[in-house]
Amino acid sequence: AQTVTQSQPEMSVQEAETVTLSCTYDTSESDYYLFWYKQPPSRQMILVIRQEAYKQQNATENRFSVNFQKAAKSFSLKISDSQLGDAAMYFCAYELFSSGSARQLTFGSGTQLTVLP
Amino acid sequence: DTGVSQDPRHKITKRGQNVTFRCDPISEHNRLYWYRQTLGQGPEFLTYFQNEAQLEKSRLLSDRFSAERPKGSFSTLEIQRTEQGDSAMYLCASSLTRQGFFGPGTRLTVL
Repeated sequence: AQTVTQSQPEMSVQEAETVTLSCTYDTSESDYYLFWYKQPPSRQMILVIRQEAYKQQNATENRFSVNFQKAAKSFSLKISDSQLGDAAMYFCAYELFSSGSARQLTFGSGTQLTVLP
Repeated sequence: DTGVSQDPRHKITKRGQNVTFRCDPISEHNRLYWYRQTLGQGPEFLTYFQNEAQLEKSRLLSDRFSAERPKGSFSTLEIQRTEQGDSAMYLCASSLTRQGFFGPGTRLTVL
């Protein structure tokens, strides 16, 4: 079974600074997707960024970028120029890419990010 | 609004009562998922529909839980004889070709 581990329950960052959230995962598969989701206090999950395992290039989305290390099974999220609106719970998630499977997400336990003004 | 919607947003019930939640996915999405999220944890997969067929169920989904998706449109999740341990946020998600679209969730409190 796949597992996703987020070892930082809480992180804080000064506004306009950069912060990196860590995520490791365990899988024996070679084709999968990795995601970072943001869940603000309103509780609606929002997709931040996605990475296909077959792509060597790290995904970027504006101020958000990832460092994907497939051999190490590591998938960290870097938030640059942090803004107050970035404060939220961040979840790392794994999805097995398989036409025959449900393709459900396996989530980590989350990292609560606080942005300090 | 064309996002995933869920109803009700909050439900308080007494132990032993039955409850039913509804999820309306994005209209063209054929895949629909239910997840459960307890406080301080990430969501856990419950069940998956492709169109109207329920193709996968987690072992978290005990026999007190049942889900349907008639006609491949909206879905309902029913919990019979609720227990205090059922208190959680129940999230619905829909997709066409990739994951990404969650509803706001239904917060269930069992007294």
